[in-house]
Amino acid sequence: EAGVTQFPSHSVIEKGQTVTLRCDPISGHDNLYWYRRVMGKEIKFLLHFVKESKQDESGMPNNRFLAERTGGTYSTLKVQPAELEDSGVYFCASSQDIGSAQKTQYFGPGTRLLVL
Amino acid sequence: GDSVTQMEGPVTLSEEAFLTINCTYTATGYPSLFWYVQYPGEGLQLLLKATKADDKGSNKGFEATYRKETTSFHLEKGSVQVSDSAVYFCALSELAAGNKLTFGGGTRVLVKP
Repeated sequence: EAGVTQFPSHSVIEKGQTVTLRCDPISGHDNLYWYRRVMGKEIKFLLHFVKESKQDESGMPNNRFLAERTGGTYSTLKVQPAELEDSGVYFCASSQDIGSAQKTQYFGPGTRLLVL
Repeated sequence: GDSVTQMEGPVTLSEEAFLTINCTYTATGYPSLFWYVQYPGEGLQLLLKATKADDKGSNKGFEATYRKETTSFHLEKGSVQVSDSAVYFCALSELAAGNKLTFGGGTRVLVKP
């Protein structure tokens, strides 16, 4: 079974440009999460999809960030326009239905974003 | 809100030494607790977890016990190997919050032969 995949693995862009990150969750996982780790700091939650719906986007830093999950499958996270402080590693994770149990989140390898 | 505090690294050890990484948490409800590990060049992997008080999670020789009275979830391994060199993250999640993970800052561990 394929794990969570993310594309690209690295991205270097200039301030003001647009970048789109993609995440493909494990097949059949309805829950999809985005996190990021800014240089030297904690990994922070960004948002949570259940299928195609945004369940919680309380961690999105501002309106320059837009996340979508088309048809409840893969997800994209677009940053427009990118700022220097957006540099960091963006992780995606997926899990099965929550139900009444805490389901393990499986992480992708991350996308390392550098804004110059 | 919820938070996780873990000891800062880097922690440098010799092979076969005993490893402890302290982790404490604050939570509004009754969280599940996790240790994730990131090996060089790889993504985050779940190392172990515990979902209720006094539960002990264990995997690959690592152990951690959910201590509600001290709000702690310290990670231990009795004899580390060079291959244990990685960054270790303590985390919690709450079902009522959609299971989003709250992470500590990470502890880099370097094991020397």
